[in-house]
Amino acid sequence: AQSVTQLDSQVPVFEEAPVELRCNYSSSVSVYLFWYVQYPNQGLQLLLKYLSGSTLVESINGFEAEFNKSQTSFHLRKPSVHISDTAEYFCAVTSNYGGSQGNLIFGKGTKLSVKP
Amino acid sequence: DAGVTQSPTHLIKTRGQQVTLRCSPKSGHDTVSWYQQALGQGPQFIFQYYEEEERQRGNFPDRFSGHQFPNYSSELNVNALLLGDSALYLCASSLTGFGETQYFGPGTRLLVL
Repeated sequence: AQSVTQLDSQVPVFEEAPVELRCNYSSSVSVYLFWYVQYPNQGLQLLLKYLSGSTLVESINGFEAEFNKSQTSFHLRKPSVHISDTAEYFCAVTSNYGGSQGNLIFGKGTKLSVKP
Repeated sequence: DAGVTQSPTHLIKTRGQQVTLRCSPKSGHDTVSWYQQALGQGPQFIFQYYEEEERQRGNFPDRFSGHQFPNYSSELNVNALLLGDSALYLCASSLTGFGETQYFGPGTRLLVL
C-alpha cells in the first residue's frame, strides 16, 4: 500500500526567507508525485508534479521539488517566500492504474505561515 | 473556461438523513473523482467515475455511492449520515490518461448535527 508522510504540520517563516516542506512516501510500485496548495476556504490547486524524467521539477511561482528515489522523498522548496505563499500544502502520490489516472493519496498537509 | 464547480457550497444535515452533492467537471474532462477532507486532514479518496461507471473505490462504506451522467457531471450520495461524515467534500476532474492533472473544485462543506 502507498502512503505519504509530511513531517511538519506547521512551518512558520519570515518573509523572504527560504523554506523547505518535507514529504516522504512509501510504495512497492513506481510512484508519481504531486504537490498541491490549498488557500483558506478554497479547493486544491496543483503546484507541481513529477512523472518521469528530470528529478527536479519547478512551478511557475518559484517553488521547486526534487524526487529522490533512494530516500523516498519529494521535498518542496522555495528560496524566498512571500506573504501570499501562506497556505496549506499537500504532498500526494499516485500510481499507474492500468494506464489510466490512479487515485491520489495525500499526506496530512503542512501549514505554511509567512510572517512580515 | 469554467473550472470544476460544486454545489451546494455548504450544507447542514442531521444524523440519519441522506445528502446529494453535485459536481460539474472542467470542460473536456471525462473522469471525476471524489475526496473527503476531514478537518485537519488531507483529502481521502472515495471513488472515481469514468464512462458512467465506478472505476476505482477507496475504503468507504456502501453508504457512499455515486453516479456519473452522460455529460460527465457527477453526484455523490451519502445515506444514513453520521456525525463523522462532517467534512469538506472535494470533486476533481481530469482526462482519463495516466499522468493527467486532477483539477479540484472548491468543495462542499457538510456539517452533520
